Amino acid sequence: DTEVTQTPKHLVMGMTNKKSLKCEQHMGHRAMYWYKQKAKKPPELMFVYSYEKLSINESVPSRFSPECPNSSLLNLHLHALQPEDSALYLCASSPKEGLPLSYEQYFGPGTRLTVT
Amino acid sequence: AQSVAQPEDQVNVAEGNPLTVKCTYSVSGNPYLFWYVQYPNRGLQFLLKYITGDNLVKGSYGFEAEFNKSQTSFHLKKPSALVSDSALYFCAVRGSTGNNRKLIWGLGTSLAVNP
Repeated sequence: DTEVTQTPKHLVMGMTNKKSLKCEQHMGHRAMYWYKQKAKKPPELMFVYSYEKLSINESVPSRFSPECPNSSLLNLHLHALQPEDSALYLCASSPKEGLPLSYEQYFGPGTRLTVT
Repeated sequence: AQSVAQPEDQVNVAEGNPLTVKCTYSVSGNPYLFWYVQYPNRGLQFLLKYITGDNLVKGSYGFEAEFNKSQTSFHLKKPSALVSDSALYFCAVRGSTGNNRKLIWGLGTSLAVNP
């Protein structure tokens, strides 16, 4: 199974809401990623988890809070978002993070987030 | 600094014709090079990668890419384009040395295959 699943597919939330995005993979991968993507732009790395520990935080605002409950699951908790946070949020996984740096990433279909 | 350039925002080809999507890079040490494709309203899909060895790499959906070290290029090719190949293509690179382990993405090239 080479699939990464993400729920929900679409999310509309107000600026005072709290919501969570979920990501799951069953490929035995030990690295998982959150990306933010604006239309027709490359994905922007937000967070990297390696062996369930946060290894990279790309200076993301604290209104985004990642969580990795186990090796198959990755969550992104959202609170007090701004309209400019509206984007496609992509989850990805790879066999591992770190040396060698040759592993490709497998992406989920994304969650289309709209902040009103 | 590591960087990736995709010099064409848009490429248009006729169905059945060969296609090329260009990518050049700058990294520390040996490059690890990747191509990803994004179909409309979808996540990214891995197409192929170059790590070492044969300069011509074959990937999914009939795509291939040629690594050229002297020109620091990794162009994506397909001998005969299909309308269904119309999508956004991203080149990405990692260097094998240095402290920055992030995957560096190009800005993307939109491929339109016309029937």
